[in-house]
Amino acid sequence: QVQLQESGPGLVKPSETLSLTCTVSGGSISRYYWNWIRQPPGKGLEWIGYIFYSGTTHYNPSLKSRVTISVDTSKNQFSLKLNSVTAADTAVYYCARDGYGDNLDYWGQGTLVTVSS
Amino acid sequence: EIVLTQSPGTLSLSPGEGATLSCRASQSVSGNYLAWYQQKPGQAPRLLIYGASSRATGFPDRFSGSGSGTDFTLTISTLEPEDFAVYYCQHYGSSPPMYTFGQGTKLEIK
Repeated sequence: QVQLQESGPGLVKPSETLSLTCTVSGGSISRYYWNWIRQPPGKGLEWIGYIFYSGTTHYNPSLKSRVTISVDTSKNQFSLKLNSVTAADTAVYYCARDGYGDNLDYWGQGTLVTVSS
Repeated sequence: EIVLTQSPGTLSLSPGEGATLSCRASQSVSGNYLAWYQQKPGQAPRLLIYGASSRATGFPDRFSGSGSGTDFTLTISTLEPEDFAVYYCQHYGSSPPMYTFGQGTKLEIK
């Protein structure tokens, strides 16, 4: 059973960089597409971007200038960096897998990141 | 970029009733690559329907998806107490490559 787990700081200061890691267990990261999605408190889901295990990335155009997603196949992890954060970036951040179905079949439990001084 | 519009925003029903949730796309969805997710408070979304009509593992057959082109429907035949949640539709588009979600329908107990 594939499991994903997000980790990283829960509090980030405005203008700094948000950094999160997703650890994949129960399966290899060297297949499929690995995604980050976020959900502001009380709001809907917003896709941030994905990475293929080879390193190919695609990002949401609305966030593209601030986002970097990377993968470390040796650790079965992938990571998110979002720079120049503001309060509007406060959200629960989820990592999720697309198992070649154009949908997200496995999700992490999510981690709340608050942007505040 | 395809925009997905879900209706209604909130649906108030009682256990035992049937529910119909709508997802309308701004352009035709290729290959019927339309998915539905269920999200309960404090939990991650969970894949419910994929390919517009295929039910994901673990969901009972009271859940069904249908539709094609621009109009898709999630139907719950007989509501159980555990079905009250927020439901999102989602599409993956290739131009540009991105996942798009509807704004969600909250299914609440009347």
